[in-house]
Amino acid sequence: DTGVSQNPRHKITKRGQNVTFRCDPISEHNRLYWYRQTLGQGPEFLTYFQNEAQLEKSRLLSDRFSAERPKGSFSTLEIQRTEQGDSAMYLCASSLGGESYNEQFFGPGTRLTVL
Amino acid sequence: AQSVSQHNHHVILSEAASLELGCNYSYGGTVNLFWYVQYPGQHLQLLLKYFSGDPLVKGIKGFEAEFIKSKFSFNLRKPSVQWSDTAEYFCAVAGTYKYIFGTGTRLKVLA
Repeated sequence: DTGVSQNPRHKITKRGQNVTFRCDPISEHNRLYWYRQTLGQGPEFLTYFQNEAQLEKSRLLSDRFSAERPKGSFSTLEIQRTEQGDSAMYLCASSLGGESYNEQFFGPGTRLTVL
Repeated sequence: AQSVSQHNHHVILSEAASLELGCNYSYGGTVNLFWYVQYPGQHLQLLLKYFSGDPLVKGIKGFEAEFIKSKFSFNLRKPSVQWSDTAEYFCAVAGTYKYIFGTGTRLKVLA
């Protein structure tokens, strides 16, 4: 499968615990994005990488959130001290560099439930 | 502020009915517009996109959308829906690199 993959697909955790999600983009894509989707809403942008550089972070990304893409390939999103409000679907997408209208390909998402 | 509005949150149609889903955007730069679809249990997939040229764009599975600059709209249409079109549909505008999505429209097609 050459699409975007995300692991785990589901994560249940207790409030206050730390969680980490992984995203593997399409191999030739140098842009990688994280979005969050809650029930009844469209995906909301969290952060964006071009290669290993994190070029923008949304104000939605509080200090408890950190994302990395150390070698410009896979990326991780960590949430520290989880809160119930963090419960959501976390989506990863990737695209070729260049124009903004290049299609973003989405992964299946990681559904986080914070108890 | 950049935003996308989708007016219909839930739509129920019978098979063979025509579909039109509204999308209005607010964006100051060059407009690149998308419709994505999410079938039950699947991830977001691109239906069609507009970035320049003919304002009537055709996508997969018989869908099309029309970009009307004066109305800041990019409505999605299909002349005759099928049960398999049951899904959630998202309109998005591309910013410099990130997408701004609407809240989505849940379409249910009755067989």
